[in-house]
Amino acid sequence: QVHLVQSGAEVNKPGASVRVSCKASGNIFSSFGLHWVRQAPGQRLEWLGWINAGNGNTRYSQKFQGRVTLTRDTSATTAYMELSSLRSEDTAVYYCARVLEGSGALDYWGQGTLVTVTS
Amino acid sequence: AIQLTQSPSTLSASVGDRVTITCRASQGISSALAWYQQTPGKAPRLLIYDASSLESGVPSRFSGSGSGTDFTLTIRSLQPEDFATYYCQQFNTYPLLTFGGGTKVEIK
Repeated sequence: QVHLVQSGAEVNKPGASVRVSCKASGNIFSSFGLHWVRQAPGQRLEWLGWINAGNGNTRYSQKFQGRVTLTRDTSATTAYMELSSLRSEDTAVYYCARVLEGSGALDYWGQGTLVTVTS
Repeated sequence: AIQLTQSPSTLSASVGDRVTITCRASQGISSALAWYQQTPGKAPRLLIYDASSLESGVPSRFSGSGSGTDFTLTIRSLQPEDFATYYCQQFNTYPLLTFGGGTKVEIK
C-alpha cells in the first residue's frame, strides 16, 4: 500500500512562489514516477509535470514551463512542487499522484493541497 | 497536443440505470487511456487503466472499452455511491498527460 501525504493549505500574494510537498510511504520511493496535477474551482484536472523519483528527471507542461519546478529528496521520500510568479488563476487544489507501473495511469493520489492566491 | 473531449458533460440517471460516458481523442492514442471517479472535496480515484483493465478493488459494474480515438466508460447498474464526476486521461504521450473535461453524473 502506498500513501502520499501532502503539505497543508497555503495563502500567497500575487507574484510570490509556493512550494507544496508530497511525502511517500509504504513502497520504494526511488521506483516512483510522480505527477503533479491541479484543479481550479469547478474546473477540469490539469497536468503540471512529472518527476522520476529515482534519477530526478523531469518533464513539464508547456503551459507552466519556466514557472514550475519539481524536485525530490530521496532520503526523506518526499517530492516537491514549486510554482513561481503566482497569479489569481493559480488558485487551485494541487495533487501529487503516483504512476501505475507499466501504465501511465495514476493509481495513488495525495489528499490535495489548496493554494489560494489573493492580495 | 492531444485533446480529449468527453460527452455528455452532465448526465441525469437513476439508481439501477446503465450509464455510458464517451471520451474522444483528437488523434489516435492506441489503448493509452484511463478513467477516474471524483467526488466533491476528494482526490480522483482510478477506475480503469489501459482502456479496459479494471483497477484492483473497483466494482465489476464498471467497464471500459475502445481504442484509437473513441473510448467508453460503462456503469452497468448505477449505485448511489456512483453519483460523481468522471474524467478520462490519455498517456500516449507519456510522461505528458491530458485530461478530459469531465462528466457529472447526477441523480434524476
